[in-house]
Amino acid sequence: QVQVVQSGAEVKKPGASVKVSCKSSGYTFTSYDINWVRQATGQGPEWMGWMNPNSGNTGYAQKFQGRVTMTRNTSISTAYMELSSLRSEDTAMYYCARGPPRNIAASGSHWFDPWGQGTLVTVSS
Amino acid sequence: EIVLTQSPGTLSLSPGERATLSCRASQSVSSSYLAWYQQKRGQAPRLLIYDASSRATGIPDRFSGSGSGTDFTLTISRLEPEDFAVYYCQQYGSSRTFGQGTKVEIK
Repeated sequence: QVQVVQSGAEVKKPGASVKVSCKSSGYTFTSYDINWVRQATGQGPEWMGWMNPNSGNTGYAQKFQGRVTMTRNTSISTAYMELSSLRSEDTAMYYCARGPPRNIAASGSHWFDPWGQGTLVTVSS
Repeated sequence: EIVLTQSPGTLSLSPGERATLSCRASQSVSSSYLAWYQQKRGQAPRLLIYDASSRATGIPDRFSGSGSGTDFTLTISRLEPEDFAVYYCQQYGSSRTFGQGTKVEIK
């Protein structure tokens, strides 16, 4: 079945960087975009950006421009999200989530399904 | 950026009752590009509805979505015990943004 499985929890100091991985299985990795979403405790989700695993093309939310980098390794069907210059406000659960099939995404639909289990990133001195 | 406002913040209902959740956008959502997700405590969100009214694979037909433009609704026709959770709307007509959520709790 379709699965996206993320790496484990991280604790980082302010100013450091964190890199979270998201391994896909059960489908053709390069045929669907991967999105990254974060959620602080008690808050709604916040979209960070997307990546096309086939081309490597990315699109980042304006809030994260210059601080986030999304990459992939197609040989192991894994996507990565790196966030730099961490501050306490970046403490949150980080999720990867698959987009719809490429032909549907091309028409403008960009829902997220399924989601990974989440990676808790804690930023603390 | 399109801001999504969900109401009410909390909905207190009993199993078997009908739940009506609202999601209002600060500007029109093009092509009804709106989704609904369910999130249970300690779990990732799960897609329920996409393109405003299409049910995702495996979602029971007691869940339905409607609306267009700036006003959207998620309806749960008869609440089952497993439906008590937080629900989020998301628009993807202009970038992607989420609402702040509606908690459906047991009365």
